[in-house]
Amino acid sequence: AQSVTQPDIHITVSEGASLELRCNYSYGATPYLFWYVQSPGQGLQLLLKYFSGDTLVQGIKGFEAEFKRSQSSFNLRKPSVHWSDAAEYFCAVAPHGGGADGLTFGKGTHLIIQP
Amino acid sequence: NAGVTQTPKFQVLKTGQSMTLQCAQDMNHNSMYWYRQDPGMGLRLIYYSASEGTTDKGEVPNGYNVSRLNKREFSLRLESAAPSQTSVYFCASVRPGWSEAFFGQGTRLTVV
Repeated sequence: AQSVTQPDIHITVSEGASLELRCNYSYGATPYLFWYVQSPGQGLQLLLKYFSGDTLVQGIKGFEAEFKRSQSSFNLRKPSVHWSDAAEYFCAVAPHGGGADGLTFGKGTHLIIQP
Repeated sequence: NAGVTQTPKFQVLKTGQSMTLQCAQDMNHNSMYWYRQDPGMGLRLIYYSASEGTTDKGEVPNGYNVSRLNKREFSLRLESAAPSQTSVYFCASVRPGWSEAFFGQGTRLTVV
């Protein structure tokens, strides 16, 4: 069965500093990989996704993620965070090629931005 | 184009009451999903439907039933609500091959 680990429950970053959120997955092959963001009281917004090809993926709001097969990782990065980036971030996987089993989510990382 | 619409947005139930959470999508997708979100647990799959008339259990199906009577709607029913079902519920509609998933705004349910 597939699984996702987000090792950091909370991360605090100063505004303007760089950010990296970690995500490790367990799956028999290369899965489809996603990062979602959730602002307080809101639904989920897709930041970016990786299916195949270039291992560095660009997303919305200035985010990027890098797929590293050897480390089973898909870490999310941003060069300079803004106060509006404070939110909950979820990494998720789906079976390669799609599949009816749905997305498997990590438990999330809560990002706090210090002024 | 409304995407995925969930109703209601908020609900308070007493233990033992029943209710149905509604989800509708206007994107003609076959696959729809129900998740629950609890603090520190991420989102966990309750049930899913790969097509009209078919449903399958996910990770946490106990205490829930679902119905996919047509392609557009996928409802989640709590027959006898329990405090452990206090959660935020999300419905999702998915393009073939998981090329994109669309989530509703969620239903915040409190069982007292």
